[in-house]
Amino acid sequence: EVQLVESGGGLVQPGGSLRLSCAASGFSFSTYIMNWVRQAPGKGLEWVSYISSTGTKYYADSVKGRFTISRDNAKNSLYLQMNNLRDEDTAVYYCTRDVDHDYWGQGTLATVSS
Amino acid sequence: QAVLTQPSSLSASPGASASLTCTLRSGISVDSYTIYWYQQKPGSPPQYLLRYKSDSDKQQGSGVPSRFSGSKDASANAGILLISGLQSEDEADYYCMIWRSSALVFGGGTKLTVL
Repeated sequence: EVQLVESGGGLVQPGGSLRLSCAASGFSFSTYIMNWVRQAPGKGLEWVSYISSTGTKYYADSVKGRFTISRDNAKNSLYLQMNNLRDEDTAVYYCTRDVDHDYWGQGTLATVSS
Repeated sequence: QAVLTQPSSLSASPGASASLTCTLRSGISVDSYTIYWYQQKPGSPPQYLLRYKSDSDKQQGSGVPSRFSGSKDASANAGILLISGLQSEDEADYYCMIWRSSALVFGGGTKLTVL
């Protein structure tokens, strides 16, 4: 069974940092594209970042230069380092599998507030 | 103008069909893109429903009932999610998505009410 479990969310002040993690199981993690998608409270979905199986990375313009996606295939884990956080980064962050986003985790809430 | 535009809400009766549209911005041809569709119920993460590029290039998500289907309306430059035989459990938010220029773009979502 495919499982994606996010962690690392919490409350942080503007300008602060958070590191999100996503533990994957039930599939060959190293062979899949992985993504982060976020959803602000009461709002729609926003793609954040993508990393291919070979390490190619893409970012939404809204987070470029502040967020870094990475993966550790030995640990079946995906990460999102978020720096210089802003109020508008407050959201539930989901990790998703593949181009299709065929599997989603339950999400982790990151709240940016003073 | 947003890349993908979805009506904010739609209502339909149980047993009827609902057609949810995802209109691409002028200058972006729906013929060139695979449209992905997701369903999100309150308090839950989104679930993948299907993707549609053409009748010969489409995929249903695992376990997704066949009453969910995709199509395109080239004249309207839109992707369409058709839900037939509506059930109360289909009441949810629906999002479309495309890959464009090394980025993913989601539509704003349609809240489907079944009443």
